[in-house]
Amino acid sequence: DAGVIQSPRHEVTEMGQEVTLRCKPISGHDYLFWYRQTMMRGLELLIYFNNNVPIDDSGMPEDRFSAKMPNASFSTLKIQPSEPRDSAVYFCASTESLAGVIYEQYFGPGTRLTVT
Amino acid sequence: KNEVEQSPQNLTAQEGEFITINCSYSVGISALHWLQQHPGGGIVSLFMLSSGKKKHGRLIATINIQEKHSSLHITASHPRDSAVYICAVGLGLSGGGADGLTFGKGTHLIIQP
Repeated sequence: DAGVIQSPRHEVTEMGQEVTLRCKPISGHDYLFWYRQTMMRGLELLIYFNNNVPIDDSGMPEDRFSAKMPNASFSTLKIQPSEPRDSAVYFCASTESLAGVIYEQYFGPGTRLTVT
Repeated sequence: KNEVEQSPQNLTAQEGEFITINCSYSVGISALHWLQQHPGGGIVSLFMLSSGKKKHGRLIATINIQEKHSSLHITASHPRDSAVYICAVGLGLSGGGADGLTFGKGTHLIIQP
């Protein structure tokens, strides 16, 4: 398997613009997570999905952030409008959970977002 | 809210030394993860454990559920082990399924030749 795929790998945009980050989880995984990493706050959970349904979005910073998972092989994280404080590396991860057994999470390479 | 504390924050050692990184958490968890992040930025899962001890090559992870503490050990350390090691926990809030993780701030490890 190709692993978790994220695009774009780098994004530079101006304040106020809409930004869309994309993630393709590992085939067969039923959980998908969006995390954000900054120097100040480290890694933080933004939102996660199980079987395409959002389970916990309490980490989404504010209404400017939204995430969708229209099918099992694709998810988007959208920021509209973007602000300089949104500059960070955004990671997508996926895993499976079979009969209550939890497995390790597989991380994508991340998208480095810079908002100027 | 669960707090995850790691120590030390920074560690520099000589090649061959035995390395220990510690992680403490404040509430009950479903599982604890040890992750590795190299300077290029990619994150790799090293271990996931909910009890006892696991070993992969020169890496050993232990967890004490009663004391809410885990350790990551590296035996015969090598310069290629230089990376950030991150402890993360799942809180078991999803009723038996996977959880979003709460992360420690990481330990920056440098192994000098």
